[in-house]
Amino acid sequence: SAVISQKPSRDICQRGTSLTIQCQVDSQVTMMFWYRQQPGQSLTLIATANQGSEATYESGFVIDKFPISRPNLTFSTLTVSNMSPEDSSIYLCSVERGRTNTQYFGPGTRLTVL
Amino acid sequence: GQQVMQIPQYQHVQEGEDFTTYCNSSTTLSNIQWYKQRPGGHPVFLIQLVKSGEVKKQKRLTFQFGEAKKNSSLHITATQTTDVGTYFCAGPRYSGGGADGLTFGKGTHLIIQP
Repeated sequence: SAVISQKPSRDICQRGTSLTIQCQVDSQVTMMFWYRQQPGQSLTLIATANQGSEATYESGFVIDKFPISRPNLTFSTLTVSNMSPEDSSIYLCSVERGRTNTQYFGPGTRLTVL
Repeated sequence: GQQVMQIPQYQHVQEGEDFTTYCNSSTTLSNIQWYKQRPGGHPVFLIQLVKSGEVKKQKRLTFQFGEAKKNSSLHITATQTTDVGTYFCAGPRYSGGGADGLTFGKGTHLIIQP
């Protein structure tokens, strides 16, 4: 099984600032994803983090707001830019388990924007 | 776009009672997955169902995949306090060349009264 860590685990930020979240996996993985989970809600896919190319964003999410890097097969970052209180959520990275299409999730980053 | 609906949103049960959550997709799924999220935790993979009409059991948990591969259910027999959490169903999202992350249902929050 993959071990996934995220940093920071939580943060409180001021409106208009940006926060970069890191996701580290203990083994090389092809598919890595970023999800958002608003308080008490379900998970919504933000984007697929592609190694060596630009991330693939889901409808409603744009690169200028959520730039993603994927420099290698074990690491990715998600930046939440120009934050507003509506961005207060838990941000989770996940990786695909082998070729099963099922996923391991990281512990999440709990973001509060004031 | 693809939608995955889940009911009920909340379920209160007395410890020892049974619990069932239902999941329905707007499109036929190649597989359906179930995840459990404990309060304050991250989603953890429980099971994947692939075949039409498939039934799988994990101790007190029984998972079913509908004949048309558009609906699924999770049944817990004789709930225990350790079953508390939110149960999500999820189906694969497909974009051109293959699966690309998951679409999650809204989840069922299971609350157990001792």
